[in-house]
Amino acid sequence: RKEVEQDPGPFNVPEGATVAFNCTYSNSASQSFFWYRQDCRKEPKLLMSVYSSGNEDGRFTAQLNRASQYISLLIRDSKLSDSATYLCVVNAGNNRKLIWGLGTSLAVNP
Amino acid sequence: NAGVTQTPKFQVLKTGQSMTLQCAQDMNHNSMYWYRQDPGMGLRLIYYSASEGTTDKGEVPNGYNVSRLNKREFSLRLESAAPSQTSVYFCATGQGLGYTFGSGTRLTVV
Repeated sequence: RKEVEQDPGPFNVPEGATVAFNCTYSNSASQSFFWYRQDCRKEPKLLMSVYSSGNEDGRFTAQLNRASQYISLLIRDSKLSDSATYLCVVNAGNNRKLIWGLGTSLAVNP
Repeated sequence: NAGVTQTPKFQVLKTGQSMTLQCAQDMNHNSMYWYRQDPGMGLRLIYYSASEGTTDKGEVPNGYNVSRLNKREFSLRLESAAPSQTSVYFCATGQGLGYTFGSGTRLTVV
């Protein structure tokens, strides 16, 4: 099993739709979780950290389920500008290194 | 503006040539990282530096060397480039609350 797994997609949704991505991780000792966004041929950029209690930033909501070892990202009222690849990232336990998922591709269509 | 600066943005090398990728950050972070990103492989850690004067191998260090020149600068050297090193290289800095990446170097080895 890969350390961090994501559905690669692509997810094709119309503007205004709600879309959700899940990401599973294998190391139960993982402590920090993040969602990054990467536009085509650009660097990854931090979208949001994921906290145990769940957190929301505008149209974006992130949730953590430690029992089932997955995190999720919900995007409401999708915009064309949300089209990108979304990377799930997990801190692998005691060290500071991050483990990166391969990403989920989202295309928001007019 | 605070951030991570990488040079060069593009480079074409012939097999066997050497080059150094430069990275500088002005965010006053201790940790710096070099990643490569290949289609279908995701981001893979080459080397990292937890603080000035220290460096450690990541997942894929073979064929690379690094130097942490000071707190701001972390360079990646390819001593004898090989076609397998064709990739996009990202430098990053940060800890805890996520990383900030440079804009990347697109390297082609022919």
